[in-house]
Amino acid sequence: SQTIHQWPATLVQPVGSPLSLECTVEGTSNPNLYWYRQAAGRGLQLLFYSVGIGQISSEVPQNLSASRPQDRQFILSSKKLLLSDSGFYLCAWSRIRLPRDILPYNEQFFGPGTRLTVL
Amino acid sequence: SQKIEQNSEALNIQEGKTATLTCNYTNYSPAYLQWYRQDPGRGPVFLLLIRENEKEKRKERLKVTFDTTLKQSLFHITASQPADSATYLCALVTGNQFYFGTGTSLTVIP
Repeated sequence: SQTIHQWPATLVQPVGSPLSLECTVEGTSNPNLYWYRQAAGRGLQLLFYSVGIGQISSEVPQNLSASRPQDRQFILSSKKLLLSDSGFYLCAWSRIRLPRDILPYNEQFFGPGTRLTVL
Repeated sequence: SQKIEQNSEALNIQEGKTATLTCNYTNYSPAYLQWYRQDPGRGPVFLLLIRENEKEKRKERLKVTFDTTLKQSLFHITASQPADSATYLCALVTGNQFYFGTGTSLTVIP
């Protein structure tokens, strides 16, 4: 079965410090990978998604970046954190939908999340 | 880009009643729409999906409708239970991209 891991679970960082959040997936290969941020009382904001190693798409301009050094590893980074970067960060994976697929079998599976507080 | 709106107000209902949550979207219709449940401090969990050519989908006590003319999906929980209390998110899916709504907080009162 597939599992998705995120760490750390919680993080408190000062403004201006760097950030590195890691996400790994087990039990599947070539997944689509996603980073979301959820601010308090708000919905999920898609930050980045990746359909393969080294392939990153960004949805919103920001001071965050993402990398996919391995097939099942997705990293979210920042060189200098801002107060507005505080939030709940979620990593997710889905199966790539192939053209021959009859059913849209690509629900998303989410990790446990990282609660980031920037002070 | 897509804009997705869900009931902004929290929904409180009595146990045993039917909860109805709304998801409205703008712009183009997605290939399909999904509903997720999120408990506090946890990641969302997939519940069910409905395709653009389907009007209704059921799974146990859950029912989803999809009206591409109104650009709206309704999510129903029948015979609600306190354990159904959570935030429910709708997500529009086009290709490999997912767009989530802000979610509706549901509380089922015993």
